[in-house]
Amino acid sequence: EPEVTQTPSHQVTQMGQEVILRCVPISNHLYFYWYRQILGQKVEFLVSFYNNEISEKSEIFDDQFSVERPDGSNFTLKIRSTKLEDSAMYFCASSWDRDIQYFGAGTRLSVL
Amino acid sequence: GNSVTQMEGPVTLSEEAFLTINCTYTATGYPSLFWYVQYPGEGLQLLLKATKADDKGSNKGFEATYRKETTSFHLEKGSVQVSDSAVYFCALIAEGRRALTFGSGTRLQVQP
Repeated sequence: EPEVTQTPSHQVTQMGQEVILRCVPISNHLYFYWYRQILGQKVEFLVSFYNNEISEKSEIFDDQFSVERPDGSNFTLKIRSTKLEDSAMYFCASSWDRDIQYFGAGTRLSVL
Repeated sequence: GNSVTQMEGPVTLSEEAFLTINCTYTATGYPSLFWYVQYPGEGLQLLLKATKADDKGSNKGFEATYRKETTSFHLEKGSVQVSDSAVYFCALIAEGRRALTFGSGTRLQVQP
């Protein structure tokens, strides 16, 4: 069964450093998403991406964040200068249409 | 804004007990409603969905009915198993949008 793959599973970084979280969505999907879950809190939407541009973003997704689909298979989330409060589990998801989103297992980001 | 409220966990049941996890939502128009499940160490998996009022979603013995009049989407299962132990998330996609809005999640623990 096709699945969304995220790498790495755990990323440790120093405050102020740039990090790139990587995702390989399901191959025939058209819509791509990033969500995050701070420990003990709700899963929160960050951004959706379609046709090589951002289609929707939340208030969390400020200028420190960017997304890119650098080739036909990868979808990345970049955080330019990490803060302690960016520590969270980051989930990538993809979908064929508006309905069902398929999630990866997540990348745990720890900012020290 | 859009929001989802779930009952607090953890919910602890004995095997073969009846399960109800309450979920209510706030959204304009007609959102699509979802239940996702997260097993330990894994990503979010779609359990079931309903896209219009009075629809019943079902999967693996779980059911939920979209109740527009009470803005609810309660999850039920007649006989839980130990393997159902996981965190369950109620979620919605508002009309005209793509972002999932999640509830806080309910941890279910089923004891043999």
